[in-house]
Amino acid sequence: GESVGLHLPTLSVQEGDNSIINCAYSNSASDYFIWYKQESGKGPQFIIDIRSNMDKRQGQRVTVLLNKTVKHLSLQIAATQPGDSAVYFCAEILAYAGGTSYGKLTFGQGTILTVHP
Amino acid sequence: DAGVIQSPRHEVTEMGQEVTLRCKPISGHNSLFWYRQTMMRGLELLIYFNNNVPIDDSGMPEDRFSAKMPNASFSTLKIQPSEPRDSAVYFCASSRASGRASTDTQYFGPGTRLTVL
Repeated sequence: GESVGLHLPTLSVQEGDNSIINCAYSNSASDYFIWYKQESGKGPQFIIDIRSNMDKRQGQRVTVLLNKTVKHLSLQIAATQPGDSAVYFCAEILAYAGGTSYGKLTFGQGTILTVHP
Repeated sequence: DAGVIQSPRHEVTEMGQEVTLRCKPISGHNSLFWYRQTMMRGLELLIYFNNNVPIDDSGMPEDRFSAKMPNASFSTLKIQPSEPRDSAVYFCASSRASGRASTDTQYFGPGTRLTVL
């Protein structure tokens, strides 16, 4: 079946560097994408989202880029800090699941980001 | 706002025992989701409720798993009998989504770490 996947399972960066986390998706019908951050012992936390009619969206220190041509999503974190160390998941929403229409999230496997002081 | 509340945070039980996980969604949220997270399979949606009604339970592994939502502020996920392969972190999430195809943000609880010996 179609799924969301990640290219890199781990990423190590120095404090202050910019980080880029990548995600590939295979379902061209997906119309909404979300990045979640999960710290150890906690549940996933919403970071930023983007709709399929956009190619870029910026938040505070984070930017999400969407390339629908190659079905690629990325999360850029500027001036990475030790507190950014976590597992990052991309997720897609399939607007329709069978006969039921709702926002069903499909998560990728996650990328471990480690920030060294 | 207290966020999504889950209990217990940790549960250790023996194979064959009944396990009940509890969730209190964010007040005013209409949708509730149960997820399971394992190293092998990542985050998987088990069941989705909207306005206390189960909408999609296609992710429930087998008949040993059951979920209820008797009112808007409480849901349970029960495993009976439990097996070692059920060991995982179980997350509850809620959103404002009213049942239509929706991209309302899902807010996750801290999870329940279940260990079945």
